[in-house]
Amino acid sequence: NAGVTQTPKFQVLKTGQSMTLQCAQDMNHEYMSWYRQDPGMGLRLIHYSVGAGITDQGEVPNGYNVSRSTTEDFPLRLLSAAPSQTSVYFCASSYRSTGGNEQYFGPGTRLTVT
Amino acid sequence: SQQGEEDPQALSIQEGENATMNCSYKTSINNLQWYRQNSGRGLVHLILIRSNEREKHSGRLRVTLDTSKKSSSLLITASRAADTASYFCATDASTGGFKTIFGAGTRLFVKA
Repeated sequence: NAGVTQTPKFQVLKTGQSMTLQCAQDMNHEYMSWYRQDPGMGLRLIHYSVGAGITDQGEVPNGYNVSRSTTEDFPLRLLSAAPSQTSVYFCASSYRSTGGNEQYFGPGTRLTVT
Repeated sequence: SQQGEEDPQALSIQEGENATMNCSYKTSINNLQWYRQNSGRGLVHLILIRSNEREKHSGRLRVTLDTSKKSSSLLITASRAADTASYFCATDASTGGFKTIFGAGTRLFVKA
């Protein structure tokens, strides 16, 4: 299994541009999520999905859109990039159960907005 | 605001010593997890403790959970240089949907 894959690894955008960060998992996990990591802030939840066709907002959803048309893919769209969105973005997936969920993380996308 | 807060923010110890990191959280939880992140990489799951458990072990890791104080601790015994990383606690709230919220992390540096 490839696990959780993310593309691209690095991206530089100009203010106002839009782009989509790709995330895919091959573990048939129901739950997928996007986090951003800024220095000293830990990970903050942007959006998450509990299954195909179902998404919900996390802690910092503004400026981002998501959709989940398949179990495998969970793309994150930046609508109009701003310098405040410069960050490292991580996608994660898990098989949720009542006992808890171990999340598997992708390698991250380092985004710079100038 | 973030659910989990780790303490200390940074910790520097000698190889062979024990490292203890603490996590406090704000709301009732179903479970609490600890993750490790090596510099520039994704997070790796270490251990999960459920809300009805008080202590759990995995190799050199020992996790405790005190739900009355809303706190957890991660102990790494006989630390090695390879343990140098950032460590994060993450909580699944018992209400409010399927959100896993991370703390700001503790940066551990183990000197050889």
